[in-house]
Amino acid sequence: DTGVSQDPRHKITKRGQNVTFRCDPISEHNRLYWYRQTLGQGPEFLTYFQNEAQLEKSRLLSDRFSAERPKGSFSTLEIQRTEQGDSAMYLCASSTWGQFNEKLFFGSGTQLSVL
Amino acid sequence: AQTVTQSQPEMSVQEAETVTLSCTYDTSENNYYLFWYKQPPSRQMILVIRQEAYKQQNATENRFSVNFQKAAKSFSLKISDSQLGDTAMYFCAFGTGSQGNLIFGKGTKLSVKP
Repeated sequence: DTGVSQDPRHKITKRGQNVTFRCDPISEHNRLYWYRQTLGQGPEFLTYFQNEAQLEKSRLLSDRFSAERPKGSFSTLEIQRTEQGDSAMYLCASSTWGQFNEKLFFGSGTQLSVL
Repeated sequence: AQTVTQSQPEMSVQEAETVTLSCTYDTSENNYYLFWYKQPPSRQMILVIRQEAYKQQNATENRFSVNFQKAAKSFSLKISDSQLGDTAMYFCAFGTGSQGNLIFGKGTKLSVKP
């Protein structure tokens, strides 16, 4: 068990460019979550998957954002036409869903800076 | 809609002393669970302690314990014998069995001083 890993750790991009982040969850975990965290704030939910199905999306997830988990393993989060307001830490978390047994394991995050 | 409020943006405590971090929440759900997560500087977030709402007994994990007051919708974290490694952001979080995501508070920055 190597934990949840995210790549890259840091990404600097220019406004208008597209970026893609990757998350590898803990192997036996069937749920995968994406959160966004800005400075001085708690994580804000973006979306989650159960296996390969995307079950919920926050209204924070504009149409410039898309997430996939094609085989129920790793996930990617893509942001198109980045804006300065997209600058944040993007956190991935995974869990094994059980009744009232939700416990999230977080990755170290991808810090995005949009110039 | 559920909300989580942490009213203490920053706190400090002397090493070996006890500190309590506050959290209140609002929900109409009856079955839910509450968490405290710790985020050390530049490191990943880890679970400190969790509490199921249907359990009256307060959860305890070594030096960490909670005071869960369901009627008051209060969920405070007590850290005993504070250690330098406890320096971190602490987030209170709320979840239910009917939704997939957790809702986090804005966090409390705890500094443990030698």
